[in-house]
Amino acid sequence: EVVLTQSPGTLSLSPGERATLSCRASQSVANHLAWYQQKPGQAPRLLIYDASSRATGIPARFSGSGSGTDFTLTISSLEPEDFAVYYCQQRNLFTFGPGTKVDF
Amino acid sequence: QVQLQESGPGLVRPSQTLSLTCTVSGASISSGGYYWSWIRQHPGKGLEWIGYIYYGGSTFYNPSLKSRVTISEDTSKNQFSLNLSSVTAADTAVYYCARDLRYGDYFEYWGQGTQVTVSS
Repeated sequence: EVVLTQSPGTLSLSPGERATLSCRASQSVANHLAWYQQKPGQAPRLLIYDASSRATGIPARFSGSGSGTDFTLTISSLEPEDFAVYYCQQRNLFTFGPGTKVDF
Repeated sequence: QVQLQESGPGLVRPSQTLSLTCTVSGASISSGGYYWSWIRQHPGKGLEWIGYIYYGGSTFYNPSLKSRVTISEDTSKNQFSLNLSSVTAADTAVYYCARDLRYGDYFEYWGQGTQVTVSS
């Protein structure tokens, strides 16, 4: 089973700042990785798939990169609505990482 | 727009069977090409994929839960269901139904989630 780890656990930033979130896989997943955003009381929302493709309706400030075992989600300039928990997910048994909380 | 809605009891007794239904609108679960999943989230924790059903009623389950899980469909009602047997407190979670983006890879559409508590 592929295990995903995310760092940092919490990222404390202010609106307008750049956020860089990391996801590492225990073995190569090629580019088969997605990122989700989850706000309290809501279901996760797909942001990025295939490591770098933005899902429908996702603003351009969200970008993804990486392949193999190391991946990054970047939010270029944080908006107030971006403070949330972010999860990565790979498609082999659909495992998720533990999440990174972006707070203010 | 595809919409999913979970329904079922919010409280289940230990050792009993947890049963949830997902009602789908804006898409037909029998039209093929998509995978319909159940995912859960333990309190304050991450996400765990439970299993999926796809065209023709084929299923695939998380090996860690496979012995207790059954996912079925009712195409006449455009619904699919989850049964999880022999539940314990460790099965307390928010349960989501979801549809994949394509080819059963990522989850594009989600229900709002339903809280299920296992307690006597």
